[in-house]
Amino acid sequence: DSGVTQTPKHLITATGQRVTLRCSPRSGDLSVYWYQQSLDQGLQFLIHYYNGEERAKGNILERFSAQQFPDLHSELNLSSLELGDSALYFCASSVSGGPQETQYFGPGTRLLVL
Amino acid sequence: QKEVEQDPGPLSVPEGAIVSLNCTYSNSAFQYFMWYRQYSRKGPELLMYTYSSGNKEDGRFTAQVDKSSKYISLFIRDSQPSDSATYLCAMSSSSGGSYIPTFGRGTSLIVHP
Repeated sequence: DSGVTQTPKHLITATGQRVTLRCSPRSGDLSVYWYQQSLDQGLQFLIHYYNGEERAKGNILERFSAQQFPDLHSELNLSSLELGDSALYFCASSVSGGPQETQYFGPGTRLLVL
Repeated sequence: QKEVEQDPGPLSVPEGAIVSLNCTYSNSAFQYFMWYRQYSRKGPELLMYTYSSGNKEDGRFTAQVDKSSKYISLFIRDSQPSDSATYLCAMSSSSGGSYIPTFGRGTSLIVHP
């Protein structure tokens, strides 16, 4: 158990819908990262937050948005869902985001868009 | 060409074998190199971390980085069935103060008894 929790574990929804994925980082970790893992693209970085502020953006679609709240939990919002958004979404956390810090991954949310 | 190339496998070996997993990359700015292990239906977990070129050993695992060749390796000695998992290489450099890893696609390893 990494100490990072993600809810829900599974999500099945229809195209055009909107969903929210939630992540609680390890106690004491200020940095939260979101990743998307699909069979064809592998593990792709989406966005990084540090202590409530956006620090870096990766290959995140405009239909996707995220935020980190004062209690440090984070939410990833996916809207106007398409079949291709079906994937595993991981959240990871680290203490501050430094280069030698371990990122601890949560168990993931498996999203299926029908 | 992807920034990080990794053979997806599967790589099937008998228990006790020495396993060699490799990645090549194209971005010479990468300074930090990592290997993650991911069991089925779980999140990745960090196995090994190396800064710049050189070797690092941790128990049965050895990570090697050759920056001149843009090639990194993970060796697993005395492989066990419990080592069966997907191994992802990852590497990063500073981008506006963030160190965001770029991952390989992962190599599926199967160690059979």
